[in-house]
Order: sequence, then structure tokens, then C-alpha cells
Amino acid sequence: QQQVKQSPQSLIVQKGGISIINCAYENTAFDYFPWYQQFPGKGPALLIAIRPDVSEKKEGRFTISFNKSAKQFSLHIMDSQPGDSATYFCAASLSGNTPLVFGKGTRLSVIA
Amino acid sequence: NAGVTQTPKFQVLKTGQSMTLQCAQDMNHEYMSWYRQDPGMGLRLIHYSVGAGITDQGEVPNGYNVSRSTTEDFPLRLLSAAPSQTSVYFCASSYFGRKNTEAFFGQGTRLTVV
Repeated sequence: QQQVKQSPQSLIVQKGGISIINCAYENTAFDYFPWYQQFPGKGPALLIAIRPDVSEKKEGRFTISFNKSAKQFSLHIMDSQPGDSATYFCAASLSGNTPLVFGKGTRLSVIA
Repeated sequence: NAGVTQTPKFQVLKTGQSMTLQCAQDMNHEYMSWYRQDPGMGLRLIHYSVGAGITDQGEVPNGYNVSRSTTEDFPLRLLSAAPSQTSVYFCASSYFGRKNTEAFFGQGTRLTVV
């Protein structure tokens, strides 16, 4: 049973465009939703995270939107740059007291 | 600050061989975990630990053993390697039970079983 479903599997965006990656979760007890960014040959690194007491969190060009009733959250990358080309993973857990459950990842390519 | 260190970076094993993937962290994190990453499958949890002497199974534990004798180290043992264990393995660490739950990952070990 996949607890976190991520889409799309791959995404191609023009430089300067908006990249949008979506995730849906099943366990309503989850209360920590991070996004990780992974470059080839490297380990994933935390990009941005949100807790369900807010509906949106913004850090620079990266924004998480959270819809608790729909059990969905999404990552928006504004003004996408070639340097943003990477694999992005959404994840969920119970306040760090349970292991992170990851989506299957989205490979983003930003082309000039 | 070293963070999470994994060794080796690359390894080729023959079917049936055993080996240990090493993971060490210097951030005094209680929580450590092992994931495997396969194309199209994301990161799947193998085993995890919430402190020295405490371990538990994740989603795909078969064929792997772990132990946690110190806070710093969390080795992953392959008992009898199989081609299905060809993968990239990541170790991660974080604080446990606190508001700051950022998980830090190592650089990964790319394992090929022939």
C-alpha cells in the first residue's frame, strides 16, 4: 500500500516557467510534509517542509501548498532555472517519531 | 562538519557473498535509517533505529540485518547478496521526537550484485 502518491513521474519546464509537483497521502495522522531535492550522484537534501497548521509556506522561489481536507500537498517552483533540474521527492511522517515515507519521485528538467 | 558518512561509495558483489555497508553520523542524532533507491520506486525504508540498542524493520527488510551499538554508527549487513539487492543505498539521520525533524542523508553506496 503506497502511503504517499506523487505525480508526475517526470516534468519538462521551460526556463522561467512554473514547475508544479503534486502529492497525495492516505494517513490522516501525518503531520510533517517535507520535500527533498536530489542531484545525480548525491543524497537527497531537505528543500522545504510544512506542517498542517498552515496552508502555504514560501521560501524564495519554492512554495508548498497544503490542502488538509483533500489530503494533498504540492511543490511550486517559480521562475524555474536549469539549476533546478533534479529529482524531487515528497514525504510524510508523524512529527519525526515515525520514519519518513517517500513518494516515488519526480524528475524535473528545466530547459533553456 | 562531516554530517552522514557512508562507505564504500561503490561495491560489486558476487551472488551469495556477504558484506557490511557502513554509516556514521557526527550530529548526535538519535534517529538513523537505511533506504534503498531503485528507478521508479522512490526511497524505500529497509531498517531504522531510534537509539542505541533499538532497531525496527521498514518496508523492505528481507535479506538485511542491522544493529545499533553506538549513537554514531548504524551498519547495514547483507547476509547473502542477491541480484535483486542491486541498488543505491542511503543512510539518513535526524533528531527523534523533536520539532526539528530534518533528515540528513549520506552520499549513498551504489551496490551491484552479479
